[in-house]
Amino acid sequence: GAGVSQTPSNKVTEKGKYVELRCDPISGHTALYWYRQSLGQGPEFLIYFQGTGAADDSGLPNDRFFAVRPEGSVSTLKIQRTERGDSAVYLCASSLTPGAGYEQFFGPGTRLTVL
Amino acid sequence: QQPVQSPQAVILREGEDAVINCSSSKALYSVHWYRQKHGEAPVFLMILLKGGEQKGHDKISASFNEKKQQSSLYLTASQLSYSGTYFCGTVGSSNTGKLIFGQGTTLQVKP
Repeated sequence: GAGVSQTPSNKVTEKGKYVELRCDPISGHTALYWYRQSLGQGPEFLIYFQGTGAADDSGLPNDRFFAVRPEGSVSTLKIQRTERGDSAVYLCASSLTPGAGYEQFFGPGTRLTVL
Repeated sequence: QQPVQSPQAVILREGEDAVINCSSSKALYSVHWYRQKHGEAPVFLMILLKGGEQKGHDKISASFNEKKQQSSLYLTASQLSYSGTYFCGTVGSSNTGKLIFGQGTTLQVKP
């Protein structure tokens, strides 16, 4: 079956612009996670959803970052007034259900470059 | 608190063994191990749960010492395909999947 997909694969934008990153999880997976990975670092947790609701958004760095999952499937990560420090690979993952014992399947990521 | 992985990097010849360690300062409910190749997504390897249950790859083994808040990943008879960066991700309670990843261990297997 299809894995987690993310679009676009690459996004180049200018400082101050708004961007949206999309994640399409594995069908039937109720939990969806967003992570951010900088070069040479491990993925950094941003937010996760159970169904349509954000269960934990403690990793969002500031109020310029926002994510939605209106129908409990596709999710969009939105970044306002982008800054050069936002440049990173944004990874999405999904799991059958949220919980410590469930493997997360990662998408290929969106590489965001803020000029 | 980010778990600490050691070593940071290791170089092996095919057929040699390696151990990668992951240590946390906080109580853990589970430890997840992933391998990531350059430019690709992390790929799931193993989950170790509090209480001893394990799920994952049949050619890779791991241990989880709950009291010491440590986990180790054992790669035996390494193959060229084992090359990549290994990450441990820790979970602090049973009702969340929020993973806190270590900084990674880069493994290079040479012929």
